[in-house]
Amino acid sequence: EPEVTQTPSHQVTQMGQEVILRCVPISNHLYFYWYRQILGQKVEFLVSFYNNEISEKSEIFDDQFSVERPDGSNFTLKIRSTKLEDSAMYFCASSHDGNQPQHFGDGTRLSIL
Amino acid sequence: QKEVEQDPGPLSVPEGAIVSLNCTYSNSAFQYFMWYRQYSRKGPELLMYTYSSGNKEDGRFTAQVDKSSKYISLFIRDSQPSDSATYLCAMSPSNTGNQFYFGTGTSLTVIP
Repeated sequence: EPEVTQTPSHQVTQMGQEVILRCVPISNHLYFYWYRQILGQKVEFLVSFYNNEISEKSEIFDDQFSVERPDGSNFTLKIRSTKLEDSAMYFCASSHDGNQPQHFGDGTRLSIL
Repeated sequence: QKEVEQDPGPLSVPEGAIVSLNCTYSNSAFQYFMWYRQYSRKGPELLMYTYSSGNKEDGRFTAQVDKSSKYISLFIRDSQPSDSATYLCAMSPSNTGNQFYFGTGTSLTVIP
C-alpha cells in the first residue's frame, strides 16, 4: 500500500540553526500538510499546500517556517532559526483531493539543543 | 475554548471486550470525522472516515457520529492485544484540504 515517507526519522540540531524536514507524499496525492506533536500534547496543524502554494496555515506557522515542493515528489518544511520550543514530532500528510482523508507519515522527531 | 475534547485514558480492557472511545466537539461547522490509530513511534494510521450523523462499520470497528450532540464514538468489538495503541479522533469543517483538529488521544491497552 502506498505510504507517506519522511526523513530523517530523528534530527538533532543546535538552537538557532536551520533545519529542513523532508517528506515524499503518496504519488497521486495533490494536497500536502505538515503537523506537529509536542510530547504529551495534541497533534497540531501547521500548514496545508495545494497547487504549489500555501492554502491554509495556523498561528504556529510564523515567518520562521516555510514549505516547498522543490520537485515532483518531495515536500519540505524548513525552520530557519530553531528554538527550544520547536522540539516535537513533525508529521507530513497527504490526500488525493478534497474528498479524501489525510494519510500520515511516521514523523521526524526534532530535538533542539 | 477547546475545539475537540477526548478522554486521554489510559484505558485497559481484557481481550475480547467491547471498547468505546469518545470525543466531543464545540464547533458545529465540523462535517468530516476521522479516527486514527497511532502505535508508539509511528504516525497516525487512518481507521475510519465518516461524514454526517449515523453509523459506519468496518470489520470490528464502528464509528458513530451524533451531530446534534456534537459527539462521536469509535467502538471496537472483540478487542485484540494488537489493538493496543493510542486512538485519535480528528475532524474538519470541510473536505477541501482544510486542517484537521485532533483530540488528545486515548491510550488503550488490551490485556491477553
